[in-house]
Amino acid sequence: DGGITQSPKYLFRKEGQNVTLSCEQNLNHDAMYWYRQDPGQGLRLIYYSHIVNDFQKGDIAEGYSVSREKKESFPLTVTSAQKNPTAFYLCASSIGLAGMNTGELFFGEGSRLTVL
Amino acid sequence: AQSVAQPEDQVNVAEGNPLTVKCTYSVSGNPYLFWYVQYPNRGLQFLLKYITGDNLVKGSYGFEAEFNKSQTSFHLKKPSALVSDSALYFCAVRDSTEGTTDSWGKLQFGAGTQVVVTP
Repeated sequence: DGGITQSPKYLFRKEGQNVTLSCEQNLNHDAMYWYRQDPGQGLRLIYYSHIVNDFQKGDIAEGYSVSREKKESFPLTVTSAQKNPTAFYLCASSIGLAGMNTGELFFGEGSRLTVL
Repeated sequence: AQSVAQPEDQVNVAEGNPLTVKCTYSVSGNPYLFWYVQYPNRGLQFLLKYITGDNLVKGSYGFEAEFNKSQTSFHLKKPSALVSDSALYFCAVRDSTEGTTDSWGKLQFGAGTQVVVTP
C-alpha cells in the first residue's frame, strides 16, 4: 500500500539533545512537508521541499533542520536550539509542481516528541 | 496572504442530529479549499476539497461542504452525525493564483474544531 511512514511514533528526549524524525513516502510525490501541531494552534509549517536536494524554510524553521537527499525521504532534526520542542510532528507530501496538482496533502501518522 | 478562521473551538451535537463545522477564509485570488479530520494521536485524513465548479462538494463518510464565495465560507456539514464522527476537524486554504514555486502547495490551516457527538 502506498503511503507515508513516520518513525518513531513516540520519542522522549533530554534537554540539549538533537533528535531526528524519519519520514518516508512511496507515493512517488515530489513535494514533502513538515508541520508542527500544538493544541489549539492548528498546523504550522516548519520546512518544505519541492524537489530533491532543495528545501525551504517554513514559518517556524528556527531550531530545526532537514535534508532531501532522496525523493522518498525527508528527515527532520530537532536541534537543541529549539526552545520548546515538545509537540506532535506531522510529515506530509503532495504530487508536486507537475500535472493538475491542487495542493492536496497526504499525511503520515505523526511523531510525538516529549522533552524531559 | 491567505488565512483561515474556524470560529468554534468545539461543536457539540447529539447523535442523529445535523452537524455543521464553520470555516471562513481569505485569499487574494481564487481559493482551493480543503477539509481534513484528525483522530487522537493520528495523522490528518482528507475529507473533501473545492477546486472549481459546483458549490456543493461531497466527500468521504457522508460529509459535504458548501462553498460560498460572497461570504468567503466553506462550512462542513453532515445530515446525521455519528458518535464515530467525534474528532478534530481542520479547514485549509490555498490561493490558486499563487504562481511562485516558493508558495506553491503550501496550505494554510485553521486552528481546528473539536467535534463531540454524544449518544
